Parts: sequence; structure tokens; C-alpha cells
Amino acid sequence: KQEVTQIPAALSVPEGENLVLNCSFTDSAIYNLQWFRQDPGKGLTSLLLIQSSQREQTSGRLNASLDKSSGRSTLYIAASQPGDSATYLCAVFMDSNYQLIWGAGTKLIIKP
Amino acid sequence: ETGVTQTPRHLVMGMTNKKSLKCEQHLGHNAMYWYKQSAKKPLELMFVYNFKEQTENNSVPSRFSPECPNSSHLFLHLHTLQPEDSALYLCASSQDNLAGGPSNEQFFGPGTRLTVL
Repeated sequence: KQEVTQIPAALSVPEGENLVLNCSFTDSAIYNLQWFRQDPGKGLTSLLLIQSSQREQTSGRLNASLDKSSGRSTLYIAASQPGDSATYLCAVFMDSNYQLIWGAGTKLIIKP
Repeated sequence: ETGVTQTPRHLVMGMTNKKSLKCEQHLGHNAMYWYKQSAKKPLELMFVYNFKEQTENNSVPSRFSPECPNSSHLFLHLHTLQPEDSALYLCASSQDNLAGGPSNEQFFGPGTRLTVL
């Protein structure tokens, strides 16, 4: 059974720092992996999607990497800003049952 | 309207009430999903509809009843809920793959914050 873990559960850093959020999964038979952002009390916004055959994806200050064999993904945020404060969720899309399996998220606070 | 919309955004109901959540997608997708998000827990998939047919029901209690009248609309009918059903209910849609199976990228609505008293 696929399990997705995100560590740390919460992170607080000063503005301007580069930071890395971690996501690990137990079953490497994934179709793709997505990173989402969720603002308090709101829905989810897709940030980056990495197909299983890819190693990384970039969008602006965000870079997501995928190492399928080791069951890990990272989300790198460069030059963090207070507006980046949110909960970041990763989810893997499974080949076997076409479902997204979710991590519990990392709550990120960027201090001005 | 663009994207995925959900109404109402907030709902407070008693355990004996009957209410419905509505989701509408304006993306031309043909797969729609209901998720439950409880505090500090991963999202739980509740129901999946592909081409208006329900393809997944992840052991959801019968007090939750989904309805998908067309590929753009999805409802979640609620009756005799319990306080532990209080959560954020998220709707999502994706473009199904005609070769079989739902597609990869899902787009989410803002959610309905449900409180059961």
C-alpha cells in the first residue's frame, strides 16, 4: 500500500532564504508526482507535475525533483517571500488504481 | 466563471439536516472527484466519476450520496451527518484519458468548509 510522507510537518524561515521541502513514497510504481499549494481555508493550486520518466520540473522560483527509485521528491523554493507562506502538499498518481495518494503536507511560514 | 467552483463555501448543519454541496467545472473535463480534508490528515478520496459513471467509492458511509448529472456538475448530498464529518470538502476535475483511466493533472475547487453540530 502506497504511503506518502512529508517532512517536516511545519517550517518557519526568514524571508530571502532558499529552502527545500521533502516528500517520500514507499511504492515506486507511480505514474507521476504533483506538488500543490494550499492557502488557509482554501482549495489546492497545482504547482508542478513531474512525470515518472522525468527528473525535475521548474516554474519560476520553484524547482521540483523526482528520484523514483529511492522514492523521494523535493520542492526547492528560491529566495523565499512572505507570499510563499502556505501548506505544501505532494501527491503521487498510481498506475495501479489511477488514484492520487497524498502526503499530510508541510506548513511553511516565511517571516518578513 | 473559470476553473472549478464550489458552493456553498461554508455550511453549518445539524445532525438531522439534509443539505447538498455543489461543484461545477468549466474546463471541459470529464472526470470529477470528491475529497475530504480533515485537520492534519492527508486528503481522502471519496468518490470518482468518469464520463458521469461512478468508478470509485472508497468505503464512504451512505450518509454521503454523490450525484453526477452531467460531466460538468457534481453534487454531494448529505444527511444525518456526524460531528466527525466536519471537514473541508474539495471537488476536483481532470481530463480523462480515452485509452482508459483518469488523467494525471487534477484541478481543484476552493472547497466547502462543513461544520456539523
